[in-house]
Amino acid sequence: SQTIHQWPATLVQPVGSPLSLECTVEGTSNPNLYWYRQAAGRGLQLLFYSVGIGQISSEVPQNLSASRPQDRQFILSSKKLLLSDSGFYLCAWSVSGTGELFFGEGSRLTVL
Amino acid sequence: RKEVEQDPGPFNVPEGATVAFNCTYSNSASQSFFWYRQDCRKEPKLLMSVYSSGNEDGRFTAQLNRASQYISLLIRDSKLSDSATYLCAVNKGNTDKLIFGTGTRLQVFP
Repeated sequence: SQTIHQWPATLVQPVGSPLSLECTVEGTSNPNLYWYRQAAGRGLQLLFYSVGIGQISSEVPQNLSASRPQDRQFILSSKKLLLSDSGFYLCAWSVSGTGELFFGEGSRLTVL
Repeated sequence: RKEVEQDPGPFNVPEGATVAFNCTYSNSASQSFFWYRQDCRKEPKLLMSVYSSGNEDGRFTAQLNRASQYISLLIRDSKLSDSATYLCAVNKGNTDKLIFGTGTRLQVFP
């Protein structure tokens, strides 16, 4: 069966520090991969979307970047965090064409 | 107009009640529709896909109305454990990208 792992689960970072969140999927090949952010009391915002290694689509202009160095690995990064980057970051995967997303357990980021 | 809109609620209902949520979407090219459940401080989990003919899974029934561009979720015989936020999701045009509503909060009380 397919599983998705995301880490770290919680982190507190100062403004201006770098960020790296990692996500891996097991049990499937060539998944679509996604990064979403959910700010406190708000909906899920799609940040990045990837259909394959090195293929990243950025959905909104922001202080973040994403990379997909391997088929089942997706990384979210920032060089310098802003206060507004605080939120609940969720990695997800889907089988191309099905539309059904399956989420990791999320990473809760607080920028101070 | 937002791409996907939901009434944020909360909907406060007694155990055993029937409750329904609607979700409207703006892109008529959308083809895939879903309901997700999200518990407090947890990740969303797929509750059910919404098919053109409608579909039922136990106490849950989902419907799609393409003409009016909305989907609905009906929960019968509500349980305390149904308390959660229900998110609708619609694909963006002809892509696999899912756009989520902000969610409808349901609170079932004894």
